[in-house]
Amino acid sequence: KQEVTQIPAALSVPEGENLVLNCSFTDSAIYNLQWFRQDPGKGLTSLLLIQSSQREQTSGRLNASLDKSSGRSTLYIAASQPGDSATYLCAGYNNNDMRFGAGTRLTVKP
Amino acid sequence: NAGVTQTPKFQVLKTGQSMTLQCAQDMNHNSMYWYRQDPGMGLRLIYYSASEGTTDKGEVPNGYNVSRLNKREFSLRLESAAPSQTSVYFCASSTSGGYYEQYFGPGTRLTVT
Repeated sequence: KQEVTQIPAALSVPEGENLVLNCSFTDSAIYNLQWFRQDPGKGLTSLLLIQSSQREQTSGRLNASLDKSSGRSTLYIAASQPGDSATYLCAGYNNNDMRFGAGTRLTVKP
Repeated sequence: NAGVTQTPKFQVLKTGQSMTLQCAQDMNHNSMYWYRQDPGMGLRLIYYSASEGTTDKGEVPNGYNVSRLNKREFSLRLESAAPSQTSVYFCASSTSGGYYEQYFGPGTRLTVT
């Protein structure tokens, strides 16, 4: 059974800083890994999807990488802004099963 | 396009009452999902429907039933609500299975007293 872990649970940084969010998973036979953003009281917004055959995906200031052999994915946020404050979740999919991490709550201070 | 919509947004039930959560998507997606989100535990899959006419259990199906009414709509039913079912429920859809991006609705906050 796939287990997905995100550490730290919370992170606070000053505006403008580059930062990395971590996601680890136990089953390397992962088909894809998806990063989401969740604002308080809202649903999840998909940020990036990395297929198992890919190593990274980029969208604007966001870059996500996937290393199946080490069981890790990272989400890199460049030049962070207060509007980036939210909870970021990763989810790994394999065998008709999608497993989510508990998320990292990011606060970007002006 | 509205994307994925869910009704109601909030609901309070007494133990033993029943209710149905509604979900609809207008993206012509084949697959739909129901998750619950509890503090500190991430999202857990309750049921999913890979395509119209099929449904399968996820990680935490006990106490729930689902109906894939047509390609657009996927409902979740609590027959006899219990306090342990207090949670935020999310519906999601994808083009076809978990290989593709999942798109989420805004959620239903359910409290069972």
